[in-house]
Amino acid sequence: GDSVTQMEGPVTLSEEAFLTINCTYTATGYPSLFWYVQYPGEGLQLLLKATKADDKGSNKGFEATYRKETTSFHLEKGSVQVSDSAVYFCASNTGRRALTFGSGTRLQVQP
Amino acid sequence: DTEVTQTPKHLVMGMTNKKSLKCEQHMGHRAMYWYKQKAKKPPELMFVYSYEKLSINESVPSRFSPECPNSSLLNLHLHALQPEDSALYLCASSQDPGQGWEQYFGPGTRLTVT
Repeated sequence: GDSVTQMEGPVTLSEEAFLTINCTYTATGYPSLFWYVQYPGEGLQLLLKATKADDKGSNKGFEATYRKETTSFHLEKGSVQVSDSAVYFCASNTGRRALTFGSGTRLQVQP
Repeated sequence: DTEVTQTPKHLVMGMTNKKSLKCEQHMGHRAMYWYKQKAKKPPELMFVYSYEKLSINESVPSRFSPECPNSSLLNLHLHALQPEDSALYLCASSQDPGQGWEQYFGPGTRLTVT
């Protein structure tokens, strides 16, 4: 079945550091890929998405590129802020069912 | 507007109680979802409604009973729950149940079963 694997956290960075959170997927066919963010005590917010190979999703300084050859969708941001501290979920969707989530990566940004 | 609303925000119930969770969206979305999320875990799918019909039930115990009265509303009826059912219950919606359509999540209902 479909699965999504994310790097284990927590990831602790200083403000203005470069962020990478790795995500790889396995799926039958070509899934759509998403990054969601969850702030403490809240629901999930869609951060960005990509629906086909080589697509780049971007939002609020975050970027991720759909790499079919490496089955990856790594999340990057050039300069993180304290307000980016949250849990980040990578997810895939092949349309046969709802989202398949990774385990989540907690990001802690220190001032 | 990409808002999904959920009520109540918090709910404490005993194991013999009956309660309902409510979810609403006014984006014209035709797919709606219930997820359960335990602490430090990703959301787990419970139910999917597609065009107001139940299309996926992920082997959820019968003490959870979903209902979709119309295309904007989704309910989750709770009865005889167990303490291990305590979790954050998330509702989501998407334009269509097919591939490629992003899901928008509500803020969740924090449920505690005593």
